Amino acid sequence: DAGVTQSPTHLIKTRGQHVTLRCSPISGHKSVSWYQQVLGQGPQFIFQYYEKEERGRGNFPDRFSARQFPNYSSELNVNALLLGDSALYLCASSSDRNQPQHFGDGTRLSIL
Amino acid sequence: QKEVEQDPGPLSVPEGAIVSLNCTYSNSAFQYFMWYRQYSRKGPELLMYTYSSGNKEDGRFTAQVDKSSKYISLFIRDSQPSDSATYLCATHTGANSKLTFGKGITLSVRP
Repeated sequence: DAGVTQSPTHLIKTRGQHVTLRCSPISGHKSVSWYQQVLGQGPQFIFQYYEKEERGRGNFPDRFSARQFPNYSSELNVNALLLGDSALYLCASSSDRNQPQHFGDGTRLSIL
Repeated sequence: QKEVEQDPGPLSVPEGAIVSLNCTYSNSAFQYFMWYRQYSRKGPELLMYTYSSGNKEDGRFTAQVDKSSKYISLFIRDSQPSDSATYLCATHTGANSKLTFGKGITLSVRP
């Protein structure tokens, strides 16, 4: 079975631009979470969605938004990009809220 | 104080050594404990998943949780060069699946 897939793998943007990152969960998984991982740090929680509803939001500005589609795939949107948004953005899926989360390989976002 | 503190690295050991990786946490509401392994330019890969206190063994890996001291450990027996990676501890309360991670420790196993 395919794991969590994320696209694109790499992205280069300039300050002020907008970006959309995409995630397809493991088949049968209804929960999708997004994390930001800055170099040398552990991942930081951004959002969790379950059955298309937001179930959690981390300490990130309103420039960050997300949604989950009927097929359980998800998008993370970031507006007005800042240099500090450069990071690896990870998507994780699980079958339910207390089940293990499995990660994709992430989208590496670089802001110039 | 961060909610999850992880021993700083990097850590370098010879092949065949026993490796001990440790984390402490501050929030007594944490109930679920995980260890992830992350290779360079890859996403975290789940190694161990435990609930509450106790030990869990899977092949060469043993996870230990001591909720009384808020201490979690991962032991790797007969370490191999392929174990060279960054190891992340993580935890959540069970009320939602928001994972709180340690900073990660980079392990290098020398042939």
